Amino acid sequence: GAVVSQHPSWVICKSGTSVKIECRSLDFQATTMFWYRQFPKQSLMLMATSNEGSKATYEQGVEKDKFLINHASLTLSTLTVTSAHPEDSSFYICSASYRGFAGNTIYFGEGSWLTVV
Amino acid sequence: RKEVEQDPGPFNVPEGATVAFNCTYSNSASQSFFWYRQDCRKEPKLLMSVYSSGNEDGRFTAQLNRASQYISLLIRDSKLSDSATYLCVVNPYDYKLSFGAGTTVTVRA
Repeated sequence: GAVVSQHPSWVICKSGTSVKIECRSLDFQATTMFWYRQFPKQSLMLMATSNEGSKATYEQGVEKDKFLINHASLTLSTLTVTSAHPEDSSFYICSASYRGFAGNTIYFGEGSWLTVV
Repeated sequence: RKEVEQDPGPFNVPEGATVAFNCTYSNSASQSFFWYRQDCRKEPKLLMSVYSSGNEDGRFTAQLNRASQYISLLIRDSKLSDSATYLCVVNPYDYKLSFGAGTTVTVRA
């Protein structure tokens, strides 16, 4: 089963509205989660690092006021795309690191397809 | 220069064939290397880690060349189910991952 769960899997919204995507680590605590965006036929691009209890760290070129990240608990990070526009349509995916006996393993959520119309 | 570059392909091969492809990375200090598999419109899933001495996992063989800063993936005895996009992933520091754009492999009957 999924180790990291994302919701919703698909969302269509009108231009100008805001959309929230949730990323949950199941059965483990994740102090750090990562948010990526992937446009068709392109690589995953890191948008930001979500830190539990503190502000997210954004990659260069990513607008922090447009992509709001909240990591209020050790198992939940949310990404809110504010005032969405058609160019924000993309595949958004989160990841979390699990520290086990074999070392660190990165798990990805199932991803969220956002279409802004 | 991109951090991780891959030949996008596509590699179109018959069942049973061997297919191999490389990726190059720019950060010489990178410590961890992985191959992920991504199916259409799905999240990436770890295929295998790549170790300095090279490693095998069934029909899959990964190699690392630090001097030339590239890693490779070889798939033997290709199956239809191997059709996917293979992502080269490099971990330059912490848990941040740098992804290649992917190499598309299509295995035909």
